[in-house]
Amino acid sequence: DIVMTQSPLSLPVTPGEPASISCRSSQSLLHSDGFNYLDWYLQKPGQSPQLLIYMGSSRASGVPDRFSASASGTDFTLKISSVEAEDAGLYYCMQALQTPWTFGQGTKVEIK
Amino acid sequence: EVQLVESGGNLVQSGGSLRLSCAASGIRLADYAIHWVRQAPGKGLEWVSGISWNSGRADYADSVKGRFTVSRDNAKNAIYLEMKSLRREDTALYFCAKDYSKGTYDDGEGSGLNVWGQGTTVTVSS
Repeated sequence: DIVMTQSPLSLPVTPGEPASISCRSSQSLLHSDGFNYLDWYLQKPGQSPQLLIYMGSSRASGVPDRFSASASGTDFTLKISSVEAEDAGLYYCMQALQTPWTFGQGTKVEIK
Repeated sequence: EVQLVESGGNLVQSGGSLRLSCAASGIRLADYAIHWVRQAPGKGLEWVSGISWNSGRADYADSVKGRFTVSRDNAKNAIYLEMKSLRREDTALYFCAKDYSKGTYDDGEGSGLNVWGQGTTVTVSS
């Protein structure tokens, strides 16, 4: 199985400041079609997860453009250009290249 | 508005069975792969199972393989997760979620889970 490792696991952030979460996979998530099969999800307290980024770097519909992501083989980064209070929650990366799909441990973003 | 609604969660004894359902409104599920993801109390997300749009492919996490069966009834716009030989470690909130793009998952790949239900709770007691 592909192992997903996120860092940091806890990230205190100040509103207006940038934030970055890293995700590393135990093997490349690059498909022969040229896409990285890596998604990012945000789970706000008491809510279901919501899709932020799919296939490595594509922003899902309705996601603010302060969220961006980069992908390179086994290293992936989610960036928030200017954190807002509503961005608090648990962020997960998930590989969707091969089954079983696997999630990272989650990164808790808390607003200072 | 596209919505997924899970149902069927309950308190069950270890070794028992449950059938979860995932019903859709506002969208034709027949075009999409659907997945089940669970979250144990206070824990992270765990992918449980996925089924392709035409039922041609169904996969399971190792932790549930041989005990859980996913199926779909496209005429009823619904997905099911049959759970047998339940264990305490199956206690979790179970979500169903649809793939972003039509027709994916034929080779086990996905393009993002863009619609999630609110979840249904399964509690397994010893």
